Order: sequence, then C-alpha cells, then structure tokens
Amino acid sequence: DAGVTQSPTHLIKTRGQHVTLRCSPISGHKSVSWYQQVLGQGPQFIFQYYEKEERGRGNFPDRFSARQFPNYSSELNVNALLLGDSALYLCASSPSGSNYEQYFGPGTRLTVT
Amino acid sequence: GQQLNQSPQSMFIQEGEDVSMNCTSSSIFNTWLWYKQDPGEGPVLLIALYKAGELTSNGRLTAQFGITRKDSFLNISASIPSDVGIYFCAGQITSGTYKYIFGTGTRLKVLA
Repeated sequence: DAGVTQSPTHLIKTRGQHVTLRCSPISGHKSVSWYQQVLGQGPQFIFQYYEKEERGRGNFPDRFSARQFPNYSSELNVNALLLGDSALYLCASSPSGSNYEQYFGPGTRLTVT
Repeated sequence: GQQLNQSPQSMFIQEGEDVSMNCTSSSIFNTWLWYKQDPGEGPVLLIALYKAGELTSNGRLTAQFGITRKDSFLNISASIPSDVGIYFCAGQITSGTYKYIFGTGTRLKVLA
C-alpha cells in the first residue's frame, strides 16, 4: 500500500509570495495533520483535519491555512512568505478510532529567499 | 515553539552496544509515540504507547510509558550501523486529538 505522499518535494519562493503544499493520506485514513520542522528541531504542530473539519490548530499566524477535501487529501497554504517560513513541511495521516498513531510523508522542503 | 526535553542530545556508540534515551515533560500525556528520522526524510513511526507503565517492543527496540505519564524511554539493543539517525519522542497534547508536541531529538551515531 502507498504511504503518505506529498508534493512538491522541493520549492523555492520569494518573500511575500504565496505557496500551496499538497498531501494525500494513506488509503482509508481520514485524518491529516500538518507540521513544520525547522532545521535542527523537532516538528511543530500546525493543523489537524478530520472529515474535512479543522480539529486542532497550533500556534501559527493566520498566514497559515489549510483545508481537507472529500477524498481526504489536504492542502496547506501560506501567504506573505517570510524568510523564517523556510522549513520542511510534513504531513501525517492517521486512522480513525482510538488509535492515535501518526504516519508521516517525506515532506516538502520550502526555501524562502 | 514548545518542545519536550530529550536526552542525551547526541551520542556516539560502538556497534553492538545498547542505547538508552528518554523524554521528559512537565505535562501529562495520554499517548507517546517514538519516531526515527533520516536526513531529508519524514519521521518513521517506531513504537506507540497508550497506557502508563506500558512496555512495548518492536524488534530490537523497547519503549516504556512512564508511570507518572510525564516521561517515556526508548532502548535499542545490539545497535547496528543502520540505527544511525535522529530519534524523536512525541506526546499527545490533547486527549482525543492528533495534536502532538515533539521532543528536541536524540542524534545517534554508530561506530562500526
């Protein structure tokens, strides 16, 4: 079975631009979470979506937004990019039920210049 | 952002040695996850823990959910070169959600 997929793999943007990152969860998983991982640190929680509804939000500015589609895939949008937004953006999918395991994709490496 | 304390921060060990690392928090967690991350890749789930005192194994890896629910431990027995990487713990912030806070990571290097 395919794991979590993310696109694009790498992305270079200029300050002030907008970016959209995409994620497809493991087949059968209905929950998607987004994390930001700055070099040398652990991932930081941004959003969680379940059945197309936002279920959790981390301490990130309103420039960050996300949505989940009927097929459970998800997009993360970041507006007005700053240099500090340069990071590895990770998507994790989770099965429903009482199992709270999270499975990560390979990530999208965003560089803001 | 907020991160859990992991120790040691990094360690060099000889192939065949056992490794121990831990993760501590001032908050109580309901679930602990342990991950391994290789450079440029996403974290790979190693072990999930759901109950205080629980001891769970996955091959040469064994993890424990601390009885205070504020800490967790990961042991690797008979280390091999492919164990090299960064190990992260993650605690479930809010029960019933997938919102996790991650540790600062333990960088493991194995000398053949």
